[in-house]
Formats: sequence, C-alpha cells, structure tokens
Amino acid sequence: EAQVTQNPRYLITVTGKKLTVTCSQNMNHEYMSWYRQDPGLGLRQIYYSMNVEVTDKGDVPEGYKVSRKEKRNFPLILESPSPNQTSLYFCASSLIGANEQFFGPGTRLTVL
Amino acid sequence: AQKITQTQPGMFVQEKEAVTLDCTYDTSDPSYGLFWYKQPSSGEMIFLIYQGSYDQQNATEGRYSLNFQKARKSANLVISASQLGDSAMYFCAMHRTEYGNKLVFGAGTILRVKS
Repeated sequence: EAQVTQNPRYLITVTGKKLTVTCSQNMNHEYMSWYRQDPGLGLRQIYYSMNVEVTDKGDVPEGYKVSRKEKRNFPLILESPSPNQTSLYFCASSLIGANEQFFGPGTRLTVL
Repeated sequence: AQKITQTQPGMFVQEKEAVTLDCTYDTSDPSYGLFWYKQPSSGEMIFLIYQGSYDQQNATEGRYSLNFQKARKSANLVISASQLGDSAMYFCAMHRTEYGNKLVFGAGTILRVKS
C-alpha cells in the first residue's frame, strides 16, 4: 500500500530534550516536506527536500533540522524543543511537479 | 508572495443541503494549482479536489466541485447533498511547481453538518 508513515504519532516531552520525528514513504517520491499546523494559521512549511542530500528552508524553519540521506526517509529533528513548538506536524511527499501530495497521519507534539 | 484567505472560521449546514466554502488567493504567477483538503477530527489530511490555473472547466469530484473564478481570484468549494460525515475542517491551498511542491494553506473552515 502506497503510504507516508510518521512516528511517533503522539509525543509529550520537556523543554530542551532533543527529539526526532521520523517520516518514511514507499512511493519513490523525490519531494518530501514537513509542515506544522496551528489553530488559525493553517499548515506552514518547515523544510522541504527535492531529493537525496538536497534540503531547503520553508517558511518557519527556526528551531528545526532535517536530513535526507535516503530517498524514502526525511526525519525532522528538534535539537532543543521549546513550548512554542507544540503543534501538529505533517510529513508529505510527491513526485516533482505532481498535483497531489500524500500526507502522513500527523504527529501531535506537546513540549512542556 | 502567495497567500490564501478563508474568511469563514466556521459554517453550519443542514444535512442534504449544499454548502459553499470560500477561498480567495493572491498570486502574481500565471501558473499555479489550487487544492482543497478535508481534515476530519481524526487529524489526517484528505485530498478532495484540484484546479489548475489554465484549466478551462471547473473541477468536479463526486459531490465536490470547485467554483473557479480566475479574474476574482477565488476558488470556492461546493459540497452538494451534505452528509454528517462531511463535518470536518476544510483547507484551501495553492502551489507553484517551480518551488518544488510547496503548498501554501489558508487558515481553514470548520464545517458542521446538522441532522
């Protein structure tokens, strides 16, 4: 089954404790992206990747890191999480230029 | 810069009636795509419908249609014969393929279908 998976689905952590949210897709998509969703703001892009070893900042990259060592995986790293990073996070993937993006199920992160 | 505006934070509709969710966009690019996504209470993002800026006809997918008025820069979603399962958050979004597949989203509209 073609899908984007994210882990964990739910995470409660404390300020400053490094964490990684994994994202994996099995559709051989070149393009992968991370978004965060906040009430009243919709989804905003954090980082994206056009292919292996090619990543770039989105609209709200501060406090986040990403890597793309393999085509299928695009982890989101929070080196020192803060409460303002409490949010719902989505990973998405697609072929370059395709109309439809495939979204993961979301990761609900709470930073205390 | 691209921007999506959804002016209706929340909407109610009676079951079996039609409802229109508003979306206006701002871009200076001639080539772009417009999307609608549904997010039920379970949280996943469900793709509903797509309209390309050069498409001559309005997009339709089952009970969903996109009322595309290019000159007014609006891309309203029309849901016909509403069902209780249509209760969800709805997002309008836009993308330009020159920037990979970055999507710019509106703030969303919560739709509640009443029985």
